[in-house]
Amino acid sequence: GAVVSQHPSWVICKSGTSVKIECRSLDFQATTMFWYRQFPKQSLMLMATSNEGSKATYEQGVEKDKFLINHASLTLSTLTVTSAHPEDSSFYICSAPGLPAYEQYFGPGTRLTVT
Amino acid sequence: GNSVTQMEGPVTLSEEAFLTINCTYTATGYPSLFWYVQYPGEGLQLLLKATKADDKGSNKGFEATYRKETTSFHLEKGSVQVSDSAVYFCALDRGSTLGRLYFGRGTQLTVWP
Repeated sequence: GAVVSQHPSWVICKSGTSVKIECRSLDFQATTMFWYRQFPKQSLMLMATSNEGSKATYEQGVEKDKFLINHASLTLSTLTVTSAHPEDSSFYICSAPGLPAYEQYFGPGTRLTVT
Repeated sequence: GNSVTQMEGPVTLSEEAFLTINCTYTATGYPSLFWYVQYPGEGLQLLLKATKADDKGSNKGFEATYRKETTSFHLEKGSVQVSDSAVYFCALDRGSTLGRLYFGRGTQLTVWP
């Protein structure tokens, strides 16, 4: 089946620095990818929809200047957490729709810890 | 609005026990409903789906029926195995072509031998 990878799987950074998370579709093309944030024992919250060749669409309450999304190609989307703070520590997950679109393929997630 | 309410866990069962994880939803229009499973260290995987009322999704011994009258999509399995230990997420797609999903908060299932 289709595979979505994320890199890194785990990252620790200091407060005030920026960190980039990559999401790749390995064997299919994805013009759209989704970025989720998951807090412990809570649901996945959609942060933004990444669109190849155009700007990302952010959900209400998500700071687009803090969470920069770039859909560089049909197989790669990146999420950059800028000026990270401890409250940004979370589990970030990406997904890409297959065919039909509800057949979502999820990456394994990236654990971000900001110290 | 669109939302999914899922029973809180964790759920702990002995092997071969019967499993039910409750899920109810609120949605506009005619959503499709899903159960996703997340095994330790892995990404979410689609377990089963139902795209219209009264449909029954099934996979790996798990079943769920789309009940429009009760807005529910409860997950069941007659005899769980240790390998079923995972986190289970109920989700809905309100029908957009983008594949945007709304998730419940997940239920941790642990099955003991």
